[in-house]
Amino acid sequence: ETGVTQSPTHLIKTRGQQVTLRCSSQSGHNTVSWYQQALGQGPQFIFQYYREEENGRGNFPPRFSGLQFPNYSSELNVNALELDDSALYLCASSSLDRAIPSGANVLTFGAGSRLTVL
Amino acid sequence: AQTVTQSQPEMSVQEAETVTLSCTYDTSESDYYLFWYKQPPSRQMILVIRQEAYKQQNATENRFSVNFQKAAKSFSLKISDSQLGDAAMYFCAYTSYNTGNQFYFGTGTSLTVIP
Repeated sequence: ETGVTQSPTHLIKTRGQQVTLRCSSQSGHNTVSWYQQALGQGPQFIFQYYREEENGRGNFPPRFSGLQFPNYSSELNVNALELDDSALYLCASSSLDRAIPSGANVLTFGAGSRLTVL
Repeated sequence: AQTVTQSQPEMSVQEAETVTLSCTYDTSESDYYLFWYKQPPSRQMILVIRQEAYKQQNATENRFSVNFQKAAKSFSLKISDSQLGDAAMYFCAYTSYNTGNQFYFGTGTSLTVIP
């Protein structure tokens, strides 16, 4: 089975620009979650997508948006980039079954996209 | 809101020895799940071990085991017979049905294995 893949691995943007990060979920998974990991910190939940709809959101402003496609891959878009947006962005896929508590669905992570905002 | 605290920013262990990483959490829920994830320099988070709060028995996975103290809201990870490949950042994480599928992570512990 294929794992979670993310692209690009590294990118540099300037303040005010827009960025799109991409994620392909693990085969058999229907849910994608995005996390932001600032330097020296643990991952912070941005949002989750299930069946192409947002299914939970963390404390991030609306300029962070996403999409999920019919093949369960996903995009994270960030508009009007700020210096504090510099971080490692992690995508994680899982297989969500609403009949089963979420913690039973283990997250499988990609290697992340390292974004630097200058 | 749920919080996860890892009070040891850095730990070191001699190869083949045992080390314990600490984690505490705060929650008002009774049903939840706890995890330890490993993040090597490759950046990819790898699941080490998972514990369901309703299970009294501590989870074990080969050389990795946990000490889950529900009343104390403590969830420590013990690594036995440490190997060089165990060197990484270790993150403790919490989730539950009521958190809306959100995982809460601690700030991590950097583990160094000394040959």
